[in-house]
Amino acid sequence: DAGVIQSPRHEVTEMGQEVTLRCKPISGHNSLFWYRQTMMRGLELLIYFNNNVPIDDSGMPEDRFSAKMPNASFSTLKIQPSEPRDSAVYFCASSLGGAPGDTQYFGPGTRLTVL
Amino acid sequence: AQSVTQPDIHITVSEGASLELRCNYSYGATPYLFWYVQSPGQGLQLLLKYFSGDTLVQGIKGFEAEFKRSQSSFNLRKPSVHWSDAAEYFCAVGATDAGNMLTFGGGTRLMVKP
Repeated sequence: DAGVIQSPRHEVTEMGQEVTLRCKPISGHNSLFWYRQTMMRGLELLIYFNNNVPIDDSGMPEDRFSAKMPNASFSTLKIQPSEPRDSAVYFCASSLGGAPGDTQYFGPGTRLTVL
Repeated sequence: AQSVTQPDIHITVSEGASLELRCNYSYGATPYLFWYVQSPGQGLQLLLKYFSGDTLVQGIKGFEAEFKRSQSSFNLRKPSVHWSDAAEYFCAVGATDAGNMLTFGGGTRLMVKP
């Protein structure tokens, strides 16, 4: 079975540019998570969807970040405009349901570098 | 709100030696506890998880973890480490009132000496 798919795997952009990260969750999974990983802050939850609806976006850093899930098989995380401090690895994860303890399955991540 | 502390940022062990990675959590009720492993350049992979019942949990790759409520701990162990175990290990806690959102610890990077 295909796992969580993220694209691109690597992105290098210049400050001020728009960046779009993409995620395809595991088929049949109803919950989707976006995380950001940096050396300084570790692994942070940005936003969490259940049945395509954003449930908790309290981790989204600021208005420059937005996330959408137009259908059960696709989600995007957009940064506009990007800044050097946004450089990080962004992970998408999905789980079968939204119940406590449901296992989250992680994608390989997108390494974003903002120059 | 729940929190997780992994006191050891780096650990180095010799191949064949035993391993214990520490994890302490803070949560008012019975937590859901997880250990994930991240190999370089990869996403996180679940090693094991605890919900309830037997406090000693077996996972993949020969790992086990023990939930100790009195110590608010969920330490990960392996009796004999292999070079391929070199990776970063994350402990995470989930709460019954938070859907399946997880709070992750800062991670412990394991290095294995030949």
